[in-house]
Amino acid sequence: DAGVIQSPRHEVTEMGQEVTLRCKPISGHDYLFWYRQTMMRGLELLIYFNNNVPIDDSGMPEDRFSAKMPNASFSTLKIQPSEPRDSAVYFCASSLVLAEQFFGPGTRLTVL
Amino acid sequence: AQSVAQPEDQVNVAEGNPLTVKCTYSVSGNPYLFWYVQYPNRGLQFLLKYITGDNLVKGSYGFEAEFNKSQTSFHLKKPSALVSDSALYFCAVRDRNSGYALNFGKGTSLLVTP
Repeated sequence: DAGVIQSPRHEVTEMGQEVTLRCKPISGHDYLFWYRQTMMRGLELLIYFNNNVPIDDSGMPEDRFSAKMPNASFSTLKIQPSEPRDSAVYFCASSLVLAEQFFGPGTRLTVL
Repeated sequence: AQSVAQPEDQVNVAEGNPLTVKCTYSVSGNPYLFWYVQYPNRGLQFLLKYITGDNLVKGSYGFEAEFNKSQTSFHLKKPSALVSDSALYFCAVRDRNSGYALNFGKGTSLLVTP
């Protein structure tokens, strides 16, 4: 298996633009997690899904952030409109129930 | 509520010496505990986990961790450090009664010098 795949690896955009981050989990995993990592706040859980259904989105910063999982092999995290304070590395991870999470390589987002 | 603390921002150790990276946790139920490592510009990689059973858990790359329920600790150890072990290490906890999300510590930067 190729592991968790994220795209793009780097994204530079201007304030106010829409940003879409993509994730393909490991096949067969039924949990998918979105995290954000910054120097100031460390690693924060944004939202997670079980069998494509959002379970906990309490970590989503505000309404500008949204996440979807239309099927078991694809998820998106969208920021609209983006702001400079959204600059961070965004990680997607997947797991089987009760097992360790496997992380993707991350998307480094820079909002100018 | 669940939380995890890594009291040291950085740990320095000479190559060949034993290393310890500390982690304490606070959960309302029985914990699942994890250690991850992050190399520069990479995602987190799973090292080891404690779910139940033997308190000493062995993981990847020669690392091990000891679950201590009375001290609510899960320190990461390695008998002989390598320069290539230099990285950022994260402890994480999941409360069995609080869903499947992990709560990560702030990370400890390990620097192994030749």
